[in-house]
Amino acid sequence: NAGVTQTPKFQVLKTGQSMTLQCAQDMNHNSMYWYRQDPGMGLRLIYYSASEGTTDKGEVPNGYNVSRLNKREFSLRLESAAPSQTSVYFCASSDARGGTEAFFGQGTRLTVV
Amino acid sequence: AQSVTQLDSQVPVFEEAPVELRCNYSSSVSVYLFWYVQYPNQGLQLLLKYLSGSTLVESINGFEAEFNKSQTSFHLRKPSVHISDTAEYFCAVNPGGFKTIFGAGTRLFVKA
Repeated sequence: NAGVTQTPKFQVLKTGQSMTLQCAQDMNHNSMYWYRQDPGMGLRLIYYSASEGTTDKGEVPNGYNVSRLNKREFSLRLESAAPSQTSVYFCASSDARGGTEAFFGQGTRLTVV
Repeated sequence: AQSVTQLDSQVPVFEEAPVELRCNYSSSVSVYLFWYVQYPNQGLQLLLKYLSGSTLVESINGFEAEFNKSQTSFHLRKPSVHISDTAEYFCAVNPGGFKTIFGAGTRLFVKA
């Protein structure tokens, strides 16, 4: 049981380049999330998808787009990368809202130069 | 809106000593409370959670946390730490929707 799988694990981009981070979960969860983790700031929600076919902005959505491709997959796209987007990105999934546990992928370490 | 404050960014402690990682939150509504742990180069894993009922919750590896509504706190404790407990610990709150708010994290460093 793989849980939540993210690709790639590491990426270096030049300013202005675009890329898509992929995330897939095999737990049949309805909700999926993208977070970024920066030192001293914890995790901040970028976008989430409450269920297949819906997406909503989180705390820090600017510069990002998402696609809920199907129930398993939720991708995050950077259209024109900026150095401020250097971060570790985590995908997570959960069965429902509120008090349920979120399961996290291992993260993508992105550096924008 | 909700917020979470983890009062210590780093906590060094000797092996077999007790430890407390402090977490305070702010919310105008009732919230669910969580502690997650992140080992180096890994994602976060749930350590324990408080939803309702008994204010003291325990994890399988000896950690416990107590919900204190009057002080809006959810401190994490362990009576005797091991080297393997070295990790970053995140306190988090959720008011019942899809947005979980995480604290900045506390790095626990257990020394031999």
